Amino acid sequence: DAKTTQPPSMDCAEGRAANLPCNHSTISGNEYVYWYRQIHSQGPQYIIHGLKNNETNEMASLIITEDRKSSTLILPHATLRDTAVYYCIVDQTGANNLFFGTGTRLTVIP
Amino acid sequence: NAGVTQTPKFQVLKTGQSMTLQCAQDMNHNSMYWYRQDPGMGLRLIYYSASEGTTDKGEVPNGYNVSRLNKREFSLRLESAAPSQTSVYFCASVEGTNEKLFFGSGTQLSVL
Repeated sequence: DAKTTQPPSMDCAEGRAANLPCNHSTISGNEYVYWYRQIHSQGPQYIIHGLKNNETNEMASLIITEDRKSSTLILPHATLRDTAVYYCIVDQTGANNLFFGTGTRLTVIP
Repeated sequence: NAGVTQTPKFQVLKTGQSMTLQCAQDMNHNSMYWYRQDPGMGLRLIYYSASEGTTDKGEVPNGYNVSRLNKREFSLRLESAAPSQTSVYFCASVEGTNEKLFFGSGTQLSVL
């Protein structure tokens, strides 16, 4: 069962910030929001996760709204290597049954 | 550290043949997972093992069996392969709860 809604595709100019939205209106209080990406046919790669506070790491920033019903993944300076499918996932148990859905296909344009 | 290693990378089977997909991780992780990904689709969980000695069904377990041989290894077996099992299979592991999954590079399986 899908717990998140993402746009199927987005484009972003190289060097600009890529902002990927995700709706998770049925999220419960103890469910984390995770972001993974999958480049071509490789195994998915972890990007970032958070509960209610905004998070930042070397790859991206995660902005979670105050009501936690939506979030945005920000890649501050997109490169061609960021072209991938990005998955937004909510999960309470910490990974036991992650539902990946179909994600957002981000294309970074030169 | 090799991370999560899957073998083989590619395999072609005839309908009715059996085979085992191997997965090993060298990160001392407790939990391991098997996913399948069909073209243009997201990943679906087949089976998982929360800890050594335990296994549980995921979203799409029919037609598969698993074995958590030890903490490092988690194998996926197709007893009688069917064309519907043509897919890319990914193994993953994680240390504990609310931690990040590490994925292998996948096994591309075709059943003719």
